[in-house]
Amino acid sequence: DIVLTQSPDSLAVSLGERASINCKSSQSVLYSSNNKNSLAWYQQKPGQPPKLLIYWASTRVSGVPDRFSGSGSGTDFTLTISSLQAEDVAVYHCQECYTSPCTFGQGTRLEIK
Amino acid sequence: QVQLQESGPGLVKPSETLSLTCTVSGESIGSFYWYWIRQPPGKRLEWIGYLYHGGSTSYNPSFKSRVTISVDTSQNQFSLTLSSVTAADTAVYYCAKWLPPTRVFDPWGQGALVTVSS
Repeated sequence: DIVLTQSPDSLAVSLGERASINCKSSQSVLYSSNNKNSLAWYQQKPGQPPKLLIYWASTRVSGVPDRFSGSGSGTDFTLTISSLQAEDVAVYHCQECYTSPCTFGQGTRLEIK
Repeated sequence: QVQLQESGPGLVKPSETLSLTCTVSGESIGSFYWYWIRQPPGKRLEWIGYLYHGGSTSYNPSFKSRVTISVDTSQNQFSLTLSSVTAADTAVYYCAKWLPPTRVFDPWGQGALVTVSS
């Protein structure tokens, strides 16, 4: 199975500042057939299920604020929040589904400094 | 839009069987892929198994023969049973729809906390 390792485990950022979360895969999740990476990002607030933010590593879901962006390819990916808002406090998970089974990262807790 | 809702007991005794049901509204479960995923306290999300093509199933080998997913198409529900539970099975259990084109889980149910304790 592919193992996803997120860094850092927790992160404290000041309001209005940039937050970056990394996700490293134990093997490439790039499909050569369509040049897309099977890597998604989810936001999970306390007491709520994960909410899909980004798929194909960089495609934002409709309705997700444009301060959220995803980048990377192959084995290294980053979720960036360009200007942290109070409502962005959450745990963020990366997920791959390059082959079965799909796997998740361990999660990164984002807090306000 | 599609909505999912888990239901079932919140407390199960060790060695007994955990049973949960996911009720889907807004779409027939005869199509697509429908997963059970769990999140133990402080641990990463983990898939348990899934239903597809309205009746076929696939399970995470980590659960060996303990897990069964069944379907009731008349009620648009699918269910999870996990036998011989231990404290390690304490988790929030989610049902979720998996989208083959984008290979993501969306939407998810609200989750059901199941505690294994005597």
